Amino acid sequence: DQQVKQNSPSLSVQEGRISILNCDYTNSMFDYFLWYKKYPAEGPTFLISISSIKDKNEDGRFTVFLNKSAKHLSLHIVPSQPGDSAVYFCAAMIVGQGAQKLVFGQGTRLTINP
Amino acid sequence: DTGVSQNPRHKITKRGQNVTFRCDPISEHNRLYWYRQTLGQGPEFLTYFQNEAQLEKSRLLSDRFSAERPKGSFSTLEIQRTEQGDSAMYLCASSLSIYGYTFGSGTRLTVV
Repeated sequence: DQQVKQNSPSLSVQEGRISILNCDYTNSMFDYFLWYKKYPAEGPTFLISISSIKDKNEDGRFTVFLNKSAKHLSLHIVPSQPGDSAVYFCAAMIVGQGAQKLVFGQGTRLTINP
Repeated sequence: DTGVSQNPRHKITKRGQNVTFRCDPISEHNRLYWYRQTLGQGPEFLTYFQNEAQLEKSRLLSDRFSAERPKGSFSTLEIQRTEQGDSAMYLCASSLSIYGYTFGSGTRLTVV
């Protein structure tokens, strides 16, 4: 039962353009969402998050959008830079429930071409 | 204190052997998590400690798996009688609040 899905295994974007990574979830109880970035041989690194009470959160070049009715979130990176090439995971949690564990999607490999 | 430390970084073992991994969290973090990541998948939750108490375990954690966190500091994850299906990256994370996970670099286990 894949509660968090990233349907695009890979994405290739030209340097300087916008990268849009998408994520869908099925559990309507999720109320906090995060994006992580992962380089090879390293653990995931936190990028940006959003609470379900908001529909947008921005941090520099990174913006996360949440559409609760569609159970969909997206990460926008603009402008894209070569150092952004990595695997991106979206994750969701239910705040206040037990361990507050993260449920991850399968990841999207982003490649930024010079 | 530069982050979450995991040792070893890589472990190759023969099927049927026991292995143990260690995680040293960020010192003031009272929450500690173990996740497992297989190829092409995102990390999956295995277990959670708050201080020294193991408060939640996933169904993924079979009887061959055991985790401890003595004195609420470092944690160990032991896998007994390893199987090829145990080959994965084992990730440890710690946090002070529910919003601030920090992951270690992981231990990559290969069972041959």
